[in-house]
Order: sequence, then structure tokens, then C-alpha cells
Amino acid sequence: KAGVTQTPRYLIKTRGQQVTLSCSPISGHRSVSWYQQTPGQGLQFLFEYFSETQRNKGNFPGRFSGRQFSNSRSEMNVSTLELGDSALYLCASSLGGQSYEQYFGPGTRLTVT
Amino acid sequence: AQTVTQSQPEMSVQEAETVTLSCTYDTSESDYYLFWYKQPPSRQMILVIRQEAYKQQNATENRFSVNFQKAAKSFSLKISDSQLGDAAMYFCAYRVSNDYKLSFGAGTTVTVRA
Repeated sequence: KAGVTQTPRYLIKTRGQQVTLSCSPISGHRSVSWYQQTPGQGLQFLFEYFSETQRNKGNFPGRFSGRQFSNSRSEMNVSTLELGDSALYLCASSLGGQSYEQYFGPGTRLTVT
Repeated sequence: AQTVTQSQPEMSVQEAETVTLSCTYDTSESDYYLFWYKQPPSRQMILVIRQEAYKQQNATENRFSVNFQKAAKSFSLKISDSQLGDAAMYFCAYRVSNDYKLSFGAGTTVTVRA
């Protein structure tokens, strides 16, 4: 079974632009979570979607948004990019129940210049 | 708020030896899960082991085992017979059972000496 895939793997954007990152979960998984990883703040939870509904959201500004499609694929969008948004963005998928662990994709490395 | 603390930024171990990584967490919840994830230089997060809080028995996965002390809110990872491929950053993570977000510690970088 294929793992979690994320596209693109690397991205360079300019401050003020917007960006969309994509995540395809493991087949059969209905939950997708997004995390931001930076050297200073570590791993921080952004949001989680299950069956196209956002179930939980982390403490990030409204510039960060996401959505999930009927095939469980998810996208996250960051508008008006700031230098501090440079990070590794990790997507994780899960079957969605309370007891299930999350499996991570390889991440998208976003650099904002 | 739940917090996860990993007090060892770096650990070094000789190949074939054993190393133990520490993790403590703070929570008022009674039903939760604990995990150890490994992140090698490739940056792919890999689930190493998980522990359900309601289980008293410590989880084991091959060379990896945990020491779960619920009252002390401690969750350490022991890597036995360390191999060069074990070199990575290890993250301790916590999740409440009815929540869907993982809270991570700051990580411990493990170096394996040949």
C-alpha cells in the first residue's frame, strides 16, 4: 500500500505571495492532519480534517487554511506569506478513529524569501 | 494545555549498545496515547512505538521498548542493540483519545558511533 504523498517536495516563494500544498493520504485513510516544523518552534499542529470536515485547529493565524476533498486528499493554503512561514510542512493520515496512529508523508519544504 | 518535555537534546551511543531517551508530559486527562517517532535526515517521520495510557504493560517493538510510568507522567524509550540506521531525531508525542492532534516534544538527536 502506498504511503502518504505530498506535493511539491520543495517550494520557494516570495513574501506576500500565497501557496497551496497538497497531501494524498494512505488509501482508506479518512483523516488528514497538517503540522509545521521549524527549528525554533518545533512541530506544531495546524489542523485536522475528517470526511471533508475540519475537526480541530491549532493556534495559527487565519492566513493558514485547509480543506479536504471527497477522496480524502487535502490541501493547505497559506496566504500573504511571511518570512517566518519558512518551514517543513508535514501531512499525516490516519484511519480517523480515536485509537489510530498517524502516518506521515515526506513533507514539503517551503522557503519564503 | 498538554506539554511534552524531552530533556536530552542529544544522545550518543556505541553500536550494539543500549540508549534510553527520556520524555515527560503534563496532562489532566486520563485517556490518552503516547508515541515515539523517528525522523532521520530524510525528514520522513516514522512511527516507532505507541502506548495506550490504559494499558499497564509496556509496549515493545523489536529492539524498541518503552518504560511507561503513568503516575510519574514519564514515557522513556529504550533502544537496544543500537544500529547505525537508528541515528535520527526522536520525538515523543502525546494525544488525548478524543482529540486528533499530536503534541510533540522538542526532540532528541541520537548519534550512533561505529
